[in-house]
Amino acid sequence: SQKIEQNSEALNIQEGKTATLTCNYTNYSPAYLQWYRQDPGRGPVFLLLIRENEKEKRKERLKVTFDTTLKQSLFHITASQPADSATYLCALDGSSNTGKLIFGQGTTLQVKP
Amino acid sequence: KAGVTQTPRYLIKTRGQQVTLSCSPISGHRSVSWYQQTPGQGLQFLFEYFSETQRNKGNFPGRFSGRQFSNSRSEMNVSTLELGDSALYLCASSPKGSGQVNTEAFFGQGTRLTVV
Repeated sequence: SQKIEQNSEALNIQEGKTATLTCNYTNYSPAYLQWYRQDPGRGPVFLLLIRENEKEKRKERLKVTFDTTLKQSLFHITASQPADSATYLCALDGSSNTGKLIFGQGTTLQVKP
Repeated sequence: KAGVTQTPRYLIKTRGQQVTLSCSPISGHRSVSWYQQTPGQGLQFLFEYFSETQRNKGNFPGRFSGRQFSNSRSEMNVSTLELGDSALYLCASSPKGSGQVNTEAFFGQGTRLTVV
């Protein structure tokens, strides 16, 4: 069955450093992969989407890579700030032409001042 | 534009009861999906509706059902509630059209359901 794993449940880094989160998947070839941010008690918020034919995508301090050979996506936050502290979720499309998303368990990032 | 609105925000029910949750998508969005989020299982897909038709369904028992109205508003129903149904239920709308993929989902704040 389709499986998506985020490498760690928690990640602690110092303010100003680059945070790197990993998302691996098996038994599937997604057309695209998405990253979301979720704060406690709130719904996920969309950050970035990267398609299977794209290697890298950037948005301000965020960068996502997508390696379909390794079946892996990396999510980077450069110059991290305490306000970046949240849970980050990766999701891949669960089936074509529908809205089904398969989510990883999430990585909780804590940025310390 | 107003975001995705879910009501109620919090709900406490007793085992065996049924519950109906409501979701109003962003204006113009025709795709509405529902997810269950628990600490142990994470975010799990329940079902998706597009133009009043269920397009996809997750691996949940038949006690979980939903529907979508002509104005794209959606409801989900859980019958014969069990303790394990306690979770955050999230609704997401998407601007994707028929056959269109590669668009993001906009989530509501969720309904926190507690079954006692």
